[in-house]
Amino acid sequence: EDQVTQSPEALRLQEGESSSLNCSYTVSGLRGLFWYRQDPGKGPEFLFTLYSAGEEKEKERLKATLTKKESFLHITAPKPEDSATYLCAVQVSGGSYIPTFGRGTSLIVHP
Amino acid sequence: DVKVTQSSRYLVKRTGEKVFLECVQDMDHENMFWYRQDPGLGLRLIYFSYDVKMKEKGDIPEGYSVSREKKERFSLILESASTNQTSMYLCASSPRRGGYNEQFFGPGTRLTVL
Repeated sequence: EDQVTQSPEALRLQEGESSSLNCSYTVSGLRGLFWYRQDPGKGPEFLFTLYSAGEEKEKERLKATLTKKESFLHITAPKPEDSATYLCAVQVSGGSYIPTFGRGTSLIVHP
Repeated sequence: DVKVTQSSRYLVKRTGEKVFLECVQDMDHENMFWYRQDPGLGLRLIYFSYDVKMKEKGDIPEGYSVSREKKERFSLILESASTNQTSMYLCASSPRRGGYNEQFFGPGTRLTVL
């Protein structure tokens, strides 16, 4: 069975303290891996799609990377407004096109 | 920008009532989805649709039904609401059945069943 695991479940950082969130997956044939940001009480907002191992994408203080078994979301010098839950999802080849979501990492950045 | 809208942000209903949640997307997407999100359980897929009048069950369809009469609109129906259906309901759409399908979510409806 395909599985997506995010770690840690929760992360508290001081403003400016860089860190990484992890999304590991056990799927047969990755087609795409997606990162989303979700603010409290709102719907997830799409951030990135990664297609193949070695790929990287950046947006402001966020950089997403992908290997054959996991993806990292690196947050450089975070600010309080980066506080949110970050979700990853994977889509597999040759089967259902429905992405499988991890349970998310809740990030709090203290000023 | 893709816009997905949901009919209500907050809804309070009584046990046994029939509840309609509506979702509209404005980007001509083929796929539409309904999820519920509960603390500790993450996003769980209820139903999805890849075309008008087509629907497929997700992971937790029991107690729910859906309707897609027009491409842009996808409705979730709780035939007889129960307290265990209190949750955040999220609608999403994605461009097409094949391909890379990043999803675009609506703002969510927080439903409370008393």
